[in-house]
Amino acid sequence: QLQLQESGSGLVKPSQTLSLTCAVTGGFISSVAYSWSWIRQPPGKGLEWIGYISHNGNTYYNPSLKRRVTMLADRSRNQFSLKLLSVTAADTAVYYCARSRGAPNEFYFYGMDVWGQGTTVTVSS
Amino acid sequence: QSVLTQAPSTSGTPGQRVTISCFGSNSNIGGNSVNWYQQLPGTAPKLLIHTNNQRPSGVPDRFSGSKSGTSASLAISGLQFEDEADYSCATWDDSLNSYVFGMGTKVTVL
Repeated sequence: QLQLQESGSGLVKPSQTLSLTCAVTGGFISSVAYSWSWIRQPPGKGLEWIGYISHNGNTYYNPSLKRRVTMLADRSRNQFSLKLLSVTAADTAVYYCARSRGAPNEFYFYGMDVWGQGTTVTVSS
Repeated sequence: QSVLTQAPSTSGTPGQRVTISCFGSNSNIGGNSVNWYQQLPGTAPKLLIHTNNQRPSGVPDRFSGSKSGTSASLAISGLQFEDEADYSCATWDDSLNSYVFGMGTKVTVL
């Protein structure tokens, strides 16, 4: 059974870099036709898609965050990561990683069917 | 704010049918398939419906999705206490070049 687990810095100072990792077990991030997304949810607010990395390492970011986001895949460790630069209080949220069959911008996209439990990131000095 | 509009809340009694609507535009729902997610309190979202009306394995058939034009709906028939959760629609937006979520509708079972 596929499982995703987020980990990383829970408290980040303003202007610094948020770094998170999503470890995947029970499957491989290199599996063809799957993409791996990051989504966040500020306290009391709705979900916001951050971007995805595909099975072959291609990335696609939310344009509103694109200048600050980098996603990478580490096939040897079967995990993928998120870096968000120059954080502010507005980046305080629960961050989720999720798997999808297909990619969000493709015709054949079947939604995010496996999610991690989420990790809380607080931006504060 | 979101380009997908959902009512903040709705409620029903056990056994009732409730419908949650998601209103968008030609750049999102009008041209792309819709997914629905259920988020129980304090937990991660769960995919409930994909491709407008398809239920993933394990999702009860009490849940059904539909789409017409620039709006989509999620229906829950035979409402149960365990259905008390937030329900969010989502789809690709061709203008924003982003996957977008609605703000969610909180379902309360009275």
